[in-house]
Amino acid sequence: EPEVTQTPSHQVTQMGQEVILRCVPISNHLYFYWYRQILGQKVEFLVSFYNNEISEKSEIFDDQFSVERPDGSNFTLKIRSTKLEDSAMYFCASRATGGRNEQYFGPGTRLTVT
Amino acid sequence: GESVGLHLPTLSVQEGDNSIINCAYSNSASDYFIWYKQESGKGPQFIIDIRSNMDKRQGQRVTVLLNKTVKHLSLQIAATQPGDSAVYFCAENSGDYKLSFGAGTTVTVRA
Repeated sequence: EPEVTQTPSHQVTQMGQEVILRCVPISNHLYFYWYRQILGQKVEFLVSFYNNEISEKSEIFDDQFSVERPDGSNFTLKIRSTKLEDSAMYFCASRATGGRNEQYFGPGTRLTVT
Repeated sequence: GESVGLHLPTLSVQEGDNSIINCAYSNSASDYFIWYKQESGKGPQFIIDIRSNMDKRQGQRVTVLLNKTVKHLSLQIAATQPGDSAVYFCAENSGDYKLSFGAGTTVTVRA
């Protein structure tokens, strides 16, 4: 069964450093999303991406965040200058079109900012 | 404002019994809802969804009920098994299929 994959599974970085989280969505999906989950809290929407552009973003997704689909398979989330409060699980999700609305989530990347 | 939430943060259920997990939402314009299961250290896993033009949908051992009058959503799990132990989230479609998640209910199955 096709699945969303994410790398790395765990990323440790120092405050102020840049990180890039990578995702490979399900191959025939056209909508892509990033969510984050701070430990013990609910999953929060960050950004949605369709047709090579951001379609919606949350208040969390400020100028320090960016997304990119550099090729036909990868979808990345970049945090330019990490802060301690960016420590969380980051989930990538993808969705097909044609009336199929469910989003499929990857296993997540645990980001730890020290 | 928009919010999706669950009534109880934890639920303990005897193996073999049925489980009912509840969720209240406030956005009457929401047209699509999903239940996700999240096991420790993993991403949310799709369980079942329902559109707002339905009030019930059944899957394998799971049933989702939607009551639009009181803006209430529930997930019923039949014959709960140890593998059902997880955190369960309801999620609401809020624009371009951006999902708003509730706080989650932790289900613990007792042997």
